[in-house]
Amino acid sequence: QSALTQPASVSGSPGQSITISCTGTSSDVGSYNLVSWYQQHPGKAPKLMIYEVSKRPSGVSNRFSGSKSGNTASLTISGLQAEDEADYYCCSYAGSSPWVFGGGTKLTVL
Amino acid sequence: EVQLVESGGGLIQPGGSLRLSCAASGFTVSSNYMSWVRQAPGKGLEWVSVIYSGGSTYYADSVKGRFTISRDNSKNTLYLQMNSLRAEDTAVYYCASIRNYAFDYWGQGTLVTVSS
Repeated sequence: QSALTQPASVSGSPGQSITISCTGTSSDVGSYNLVSWYQQHPGKAPKLMIYEVSKRPSGVSNRFSGSKSGNTASLTISGLQAEDEADYYCCSYAGSSPWVFGGGTKLTVL
Repeated sequence: EVQLVESGGGLIQPGGSLRLSCAASGFTVSSNYMSWVRQAPGKGLEWVSVIYSGGSTYYADSVKGRFTISRDNSKNTLYLQMNSLRAEDTAVYYCASIRNYAFDYWGQGTLVTVSS
């Protein structure tokens, strides 16, 4: 199972919106509405931000939103804040080889 | 409050074995899907293994035949037995619970270094 494809880095200024893409295949992202997104600050464990493509766990800001079209999922962060600077990973359920992660995207808040 | 605490990491020579533990509190390991995810130094997340509540297990191709996931219901603890370790297995290993096919709670991770 190949890793999902994410841009290596994205950046934005405080208050702006950014979108991180996550491209898979018809065997993972395209087959299941089971894409999740994780935020990871340096030296910390990942934190679940989005599950089932677009649902937010309790306590996660509504500035974070997710969507999917075909084999590509997206994470949008609106109203960028300094504390959003982190690495972001997408993940998809993939059935027979159950989970596959993206390579990660480093978000820089300028 | 849900808490996952990993232990058992350390420095091990290539070809050696190590067993990681993940002690859970605030929920029942056997009633949930549980997984191990690893992160090599400076690299991204890699799914390693899962054990479903019914006991079925699955592994990434990179560890299949060398790693074994298990749980002890009486201790509410998840394990990862790692044999025939290679340099490329060097990583921080996280245990995580799974809900709605997403990794909702994570431990703090334990570092495994495979080196001579």
